Amino acid sequence: AQSVAQPEDQVNVAEGNPLTVKCTYSVSGNPYLFWYVQYPNRGLQFLLKYITGDNLVKGSYGFEAEFNKSQTSFHLKKPSALVSDSALYFCAVSANAGNNRKLIWGLGTSLAVNP
Amino acid sequence: DAEITQSPRHKITETGRQVTLACHQTWNHNNMFWYRQDLGHGLRLIHYSYGVQDTNKGEVSDGYSVSRSNTEDLPLTLESAASSQTSVYFCASSRDRSFYEQYFGPGTRLTVT
Repeated sequence: AQSVAQPEDQVNVAEGNPLTVKCTYSVSGNPYLFWYVQYPNRGLQFLLKYITGDNLVKGSYGFEAEFNKSQTSFHLKKPSALVSDSALYFCAVSANAGNNRKLIWGLGTSLAVNP
Repeated sequence: DAEITQSPRHKITETGRQVTLACHQTWNHNNMFWYRQDLGHGLRLIHYSYGVQDTNKGEVSDGYSVSRSNTEDLPLTLESAASSQTSVYFCASSRDRSFYEQYFGPGTRLTVT
């Protein structure tokens, strides 16, 4: 079955330290990969995506993610965390589903950046 | 600026009542989606539409319906509200089925008593 896993429900980091939010996937064919962020009482906002090309993708707010085909991972990273990065982060994968592609969502990882 | 709006933002209703949640986008996107978000379940797709007069069931469509009469709107109707439908509902739209990101509305918090 096609799936997306975010193995950590919560990640805690100190402000100024690097952060990583993990995402692994299991899909058939070539995946299209996305990261979204959700701030409290708000809708999700797109951060970045990987479709093809360079495995390192840069996105909004200084975030980046690396597509690793052999490890089927797409971890979200930021070199220096800010308190304002505290939010819920979702990984999503667009996978083949017949004639269309279906978006499969992870359950989310809550990131807390401590001052 | 283009945007996607939802109304109402908060709704309390009684079991058995019909409820309609509105979603309006000015992106001129063909694709629109309805999700519900519940703790422990993440986002679950209710219904989606790839264009006017097109509607499709998602993974949790029972008890919900949608109609698409124009590009801008995809209202979600709960035919007979149940307590299990208490949730936060998000509408989203996208330019393309596969490659492009989805733009989300601010959400509607629905409580069924």
